[in-house]
Amino acid sequence: EAEVAQSPRYKITEKSQAVAFWCDPISGHATLYWYRQILGQGPELLVQFQDESVVDDSQLPKDRFSAERLKGVDSTLKIQPAELGDSAMYLCASTTTTRYEQYFGPGTRLTVT
Amino acid sequence: GQQVMQIPQYQHVQEGEDFTTYCNSSTTLSNIQWYKQRPGGHPVFLIQLVKSGEVKKQKRLTFQFGEAKKNSSLHITATQTTDVGTYFCAGRTGAGSYQLTFGKGTKLSVIP
Repeated sequence: EAEVAQSPRYKITEKSQAVAFWCDPISGHATLYWYRQILGQGPELLVQFQDESVVDDSQLPKDRFSAERLKGVDSTLKIQPAELGDSAMYLCASTTTTRYEQYFGPGTRLTVT
Repeated sequence: GQQVMQIPQYQHVQEGEDFTTYCNSSTTLSNIQWYKQRPGGHPVFLIQLVKSGEVKKQKRLTFQFGEAKKNSSLHITATQTTDVGTYFCAGRTGAGSYQLTFGKGTKLSVIP
């Protein structure tokens, strides 16, 4: 069964450093989401892509976060500079335009020290 | 903005007991989805409810969507240790919207 791939699975970085996460959605899934999940909370949407276009990035802290999906396939989420409060699980999810259920990747657990 | 609230936040049950989690939205939803996240895992889609008053069953799990499409519930009959995890509801507002607003989840512990 096809799965959403994410890397790295774990990342430890010092505050003020740059960090990047990668996501490869299920083949053929045009819609891609990046979520942040703080321990004990539900996923919170950071950015949504439809193909290579950003549909919604209203919750993305744009002073330090950026996201791209240049060819409409895989995607990168970057944080620069990282802050202590960015420690969380970063989840990527994808879906088709005809079905609504989202398929989540395993996530990247970020720890900022 | 849209808010989705879930209660309880935690639930501990003896194996074999029933479990229910409730979800309430501040706005009318076009549909609602439920996800399960095992400890250390990622959310996995369980079901989507679309129609007002809809009830769907998956083995021991029963999902309901309220008549006003602002609330939902998940009921598990005779819990098993494999039911352990956090259950999230996620609401969608517009019919053409692909965005979900997740609740904070209910963490279920099952005591064998």
